[in-house]
Amino acid sequence: DQQVKQNSPSLSVQEGRISILNCDYTNSMFDYFLWYKKYPAEGPTFLISISSIKDKNEDGRFTVFLNKSAKHLSLHIVPSQPGDSAVYFCAASEIGGNQFYFGTGTSLTVIP
Amino acid sequence: EPEVTQTPSHQVTQMGQEVILRCVPISNHLYFYWYRQILGQKVEFLVSFYNNEISEKSEIFDDQFSVERPDGSNFTLKIRSTKLEDSAMYFCASRGQINSYNEQFFGPGTRLTVL
Repeated sequence: DQQVKQNSPSLSVQEGRISILNCDYTNSMFDYFLWYKKYPAEGPTFLISISSIKDKNEDGRFTVFLNKSAKHLSLHIVPSQPGDSAVYFCAASEIGGNQFYFGTGTSLTVIP
Repeated sequence: EPEVTQTPSHQVTQMGQEVILRCVPISNHLYFYWYRQILGQKVEFLVSFYNNEISEKSEIFDDQFSVERPDGSNFTLKIRSTKLEDSAMYFCASRGQINSYNEQFFGPGTRLTVL
């Protein structure tokens, strides 16, 4: 049962443009959402998070948007840079919950 | 900056052999996790560990798997009799506390290859 879904396995964007990565979830009990970035042969690195009391969280070039009614979140990267090329995973958990549920990842390629 | 470390980076073993994957979580963290990622697939939760006992485990974490915190710093995952399908990247993660919004910190992973 896939509780967190990333329907786009890959995305290519020109350098300087906006990258939008999407994530959907099914469990209405999730109230904490995270994005992780993963380079080959490395572990996932935390990027940005959002709790369900917010609908937007911004950190530099990265902004996460949460639409609770649609059970959808997205990560915006503006402007995209070649160093952003990586696999991006969204994850979700319940507050006080132990487990993070991960999506399958979206491989982002930023073309110089 | 504190980080989670894992050893070895790559482990090759024969089917049916036992392997132990090692992790050193961030020192003041209380919650520890193992995940795996089969090539091309999603990161899958295996087990979480708190206060010297398993707090949650997935259906993947069957009797072939065990975890231990043998001392104050190491956190290990043991696979008793490896199968070909155990070949994957195994990630350890730790987290400070769960009754607040905070992330898990991941180690670099151990690539397990079962021949």
